[in-house]
Amino acid sequence: QSALTQPASVSGSPGQSITISCTGSSSDVGGYNYVSWYQQHPGKAPKLMIYDVSNRPSGVSNRFSGSKSGNTASLTISGLQAEDEADYYCSSYTSTIIFGGGTKLTVL
Amino acid sequence: QVQLVQSGAEVKKPGASVKVSCKASGYTFTDYYMNWVRQAPGQGLEWMGWMNAKSGGTKNAQKFQGRITMTRDTSISTAYMELSSLTSDDTAVYYCARDGAGGRELDPWGQGTPVTVSS
Repeated sequence: QSALTQPASVSGSPGQSITISCTGSSSDVGGYNYVSWYQQHPGKAPKLMIYDVSNRPSGVSNRFSGSKSGNTASLTISGLQAEDEADYYCSSYTSTIIFGGGTKLTVL
Repeated sequence: QVQLVQSGAEVKKPGASVKVSCKASGYTFTDYYMNWVRQAPGQGLEWMGWMNAKSGGTKNAQKFQGRITMTRDTSISTAYMELSSLTSDDTAVYYCARDGAGGRELDPWGQGTPVTVSS
C-alpha cells in the first residue's frame, strides 16, 4: 500500500481556519470510515486528534474537526492558535495502518 | 490514567538486533492490541505491526516480514518489539501505541525509543 497524500505544508494566521487534505484510494480512505488524525509537536510523541473520520477524543478542542468526501479526508482547525503549530498526520485502517506523509502547519 | 512507558535509547551495530519494551499501566493489558510505529529522522510515521495482547497473534507490514518479532509478557503488562538484521536505514524513533477505544486508531502512544544503527 502507498502512503496517503498530504500537502507538505500549510499556514494560517491566528484566528483563521485551515484545512489539511489526505488523499488515498477506494481501498483505504474511500472504502472505510477509519481515518484518524494525529498532531505531533517537535520531539514529542504523536497525539490522537480525530478518529473514525470525524470523532474527537475526550479532551481535544472542538476547534478540530474532520470530514471525508470520496477518497479524500480533511482536517479543519478553526480559530488557529500558536499552540496548533505542529506536524499533522492522517492514517487509514484496513487491518493494517497506512499514514500520510505529514503536513507541517505554521501559524504566522 | 493510561500510560505506556518505553525502554531507553539504544545504539547498535549493523547486522545486530534491537529489542524495545513498552510497559502499560492504567488499563487491562490484554483488552487491547498494541502497535509499533517508527519515525526516521526528519521523516514521517511508518506503521510496523500490531499484536493482540490477549492471544499473542501478530500482523506486520510486509516491509518488515522476517525481521520483526512482537511479543508480550502479560504478567508484567509489557509488550516487546525486536527488529533484526539492522542497517543504518533502521535508525529511527520507535513508538508503541495502543489501539484506541474504537479499535482502529492509536491512542495513547509511548514516549518513543531512539535507536541508532552505526558502525
